[in-house]
Amino acid sequence: AQKVTQAQTEISVVEKEDVTLDCVYETRDTTYYLFWYKQPPSGELVFLIRRNSFDEQNEISGRYSWNFQKSTSSFNFTITASQVVDSAVYFCALSYTGTASKLTFGTGTRLQVTL
Amino acid sequence: EAQVTQNPRYLITVTGKKLTVTCSQNMNHEYMSWYRQDPGLGLRQIYYSMNVEVTDKGDVPEGYKVSRKEKRNFPLILESPSPNQTSLYFCASRAWGVAYNSPLHFGNGTRLTVT
Repeated sequence: AQKVTQAQTEISVVEKEDVTLDCVYETRDTTYYLFWYKQPPSGELVFLIRRNSFDEQNEISGRYSWNFQKSTSSFNFTITASQVVDSAVYFCALSYTGTASKLTFGTGTRLQVTL
Repeated sequence: EAQVTQNPRYLITVTGKKLTVTCSQNMNHEYMSWYRQDPGLGLRQIYYSMNVEVTDKGDVPEGYKVSRKEKRNFPLILESPSPNQTSLYFCASRAWGVAYNSPLHFGNGTRLTVT
């Protein structure tokens, strides 16, 4: 069975602070994919990143960076110099290579960035 | 513009009155899926379809039906809605085959209230 845990329900930071959103996953598959999605207040789900289990390189995209560590089954997401527009709910998700390729989502972390 | 279109965005109905939420994608994707989002539970898969006339249950299929008569459309049917189906629903699609485990593209969501 697969499981994704986002232990942080809600985080509040002041603009320009760095913030890390934690994601811990469980799977028995050796090949799997990890995702992060953003859900802004408008409600849509925006794809941010996909990482496969064979690629443990960290990734940076502008103010966003992701740290994938198989040893701790974690795929954490850091926003550097946060901005008010980063306020959203962020979901971590896991997919395996089975025929259904279902995405298993965590419960989400609500990030509130204030001035 | 490549997109997944859901209608309606908001729907209020009464217990037992059949309803259909439509979903259409213009990306020629083989795989389509329905999720529901509830507070504290993240997103859970209701049904999915890997191609025309091929559908299967996800994690929470009770009380829902789907059909896939055409590649682009994947309607969600609630034959006899109940208050516990009050939720935010998302339709999603992605390419299959070569683009295995490509990211899901989500619609903008349908907020359903059953009284």
